[in-house]
Amino acid sequence: GEDVEQSLFLSVREGDSSVINCTYTDSSSTYLYWYKQEPGAGLQLLTYIFSNMDMKQDQRLTVLLNKKDKHLSLRIADTQTGDSAIYFCAEIFYNQGGKLIFGQGTELSVKP
Amino acid sequence: KAGVTQTPRYLIKTRGQQVTLSCSPISGHRSVSWYQQTPGQGLQFLFEYFSETQRNKGNFPGRFSGRQFSNSRSEMNVSTLELGDSALYLCASSFRGDNEQFFGPGTRLTVL
Repeated sequence: GEDVEQSLFLSVREGDSSVINCTYTDSSSTYLYWYKQEPGAGLQLLTYIFSNMDMKQDQRLTVLLNKKDKHLSLRIADTQTGDSAIYFCAEIFYNQGGKLIFGQGTELSVKP
Repeated sequence: KAGVTQTPRYLIKTRGQQVTLSCSPISGHRSVSWYQQTPGQGLQFLFEYFSETQRNKGNFPGRFSGRQFSNSRSEMNVSTLELGDSALYLCASSFRGDNEQFFGPGTRLTVL
C-alpha cells in the first residue's frame, strides 16, 4: 500500500538539533525525499536518499533510513529561526513514473 | 538555470467555470507532474507527463485533465469548477520522473 506518516508538530529552541520522523509502508520505493515549504511558497527539495543507502549527510542535514522498520528521519543541526517551516517526506516508485507519495507534513517551530 | 515557473500565480473563478494552469519545467527536463495541495487532503498526485505522454494518473475525476507540449511545457485544465477545487496547484519538473522533482511556486486557485 501507499502510505506515509509523519508527526504533525515539532518545537525546538534555536541552536538545538531537530529530528523529524517519517514512516512509510511500501518497501518498493526507490527514492525518499525531504521537502521544505514556507508559508505561501512551493516545495523546496532539501535532500533525498536512495533506498539502498542508510545515511546521507548534506551540511546541516542528516538523513537516516532504516529499511527494516521503514523509518526515515531528517536531522537538522544547529536549528535556526529560518528553518521554521513545514517539512514533508515523500517516496517515489520506480515503476510509477513521477508519482510522489507525501506525508502530511511536520510543522517545525523554532523559538529564539 | 531558471527554475520551474507556473502561471498564473493566483486565480479566482466561480463554480461551473473552467480554468487552465500552465507550467514551464527546468530546461532539459522531460517530466512534469501535477499535485493538488489542500489543508484537508494534503498533497495529492494528479498526473505525470513525460515526452508528451501521460504515464500516470491519480485518483481525480475526469474534470481534471492535462497535456504536455513538445517543448515539455505542460498545462492542466479543470472543467466545471466546484468549491472543493480551491487549492494550491503545484507542478514539479524532473529529468526522467523517478528521480529528483523540483517544484514551482504554485497557482493558488479560489473557487467562489
